[in-house]
Amino acid sequence: DIQLTQSPSFLSASVGDRVTITCRASQGINTYLGWYQQKPGKAPKLLISGASTLQSGVPSRFSGSGSGTEFTLTISSLQPEDFATYYCQQRSTYPVTFGQGTRLEIK
Amino acid sequence: EVQLVESGGGLVQPGGSLRLSCAASGFTFSDHYMDWVRQTPGKGLEWVGRIRKKVNSYTTEYAASVKGRFTISRYDSENSLYLQMNSLKTEDTAVYYCARASRESHFDYWGQGTLVTVSS
Repeated sequence: DIQLTQSPSFLSASVGDRVTITCRASQGINTYLGWYQQKPGKAPKLLISGASTLQSGVPSRFSGSGSGTEFTLTISSLQPEDFATYYCQQRSTYPVTFGQGTRLEIK
Repeated sequence: EVQLVESGGGLVQPGGSLRLSCAASGFTFSDHYMDWVRQTPGKGLEWVGRIRKKVNSYTTEYAASVKGRFTISRYDSENSLYLQMNSLKTEDTAVYYCARASRESHFDYWGQGTLVTVSS
């Protein structure tokens, strides 16, 4: 199975900050990576597919990059509604796998 | 508006069975692969399995942890997805989500989830 390791697991930041979350794959997955945002008690929401394609309706402050084994999700200027848990997910090979999550909290 | 609504969760004893349902609306259900994903309370996300479309002969994929115990099916005429869970274990306790697979095979729409608790 392809393992996805996110770093950091926990991040404390302030409104207006620029933050970057990294997702590393245990083997190359081309750009078959998605990023999700999950708020407490809610289902995950797809933010980015194909490593860098922003989903419709997702604010442009979110961006994704990377290919192969290293990927990043960047939020250019944190807004209060961005404090949540973020997951990466690969669909290169079965089984589909998720990273362990990065919890983003207000400093 | 795309909607996915799960039902069928509840409390079941170890070794028991449960069938989850997912009612889809707002899109052409038969055009999409459909998946089940679960989340252990307070923990991360785990993919459970996938069912492909009719053109792909409704073939399925499963996580190793559920293979042989869980079965995914669909009825396109009813816009419905199912997860039959047998031989349940305490570690199957989780919120179960149905999710629509996008063209890129990421999960672009999710249901609200249904809680399955396996306990004696």
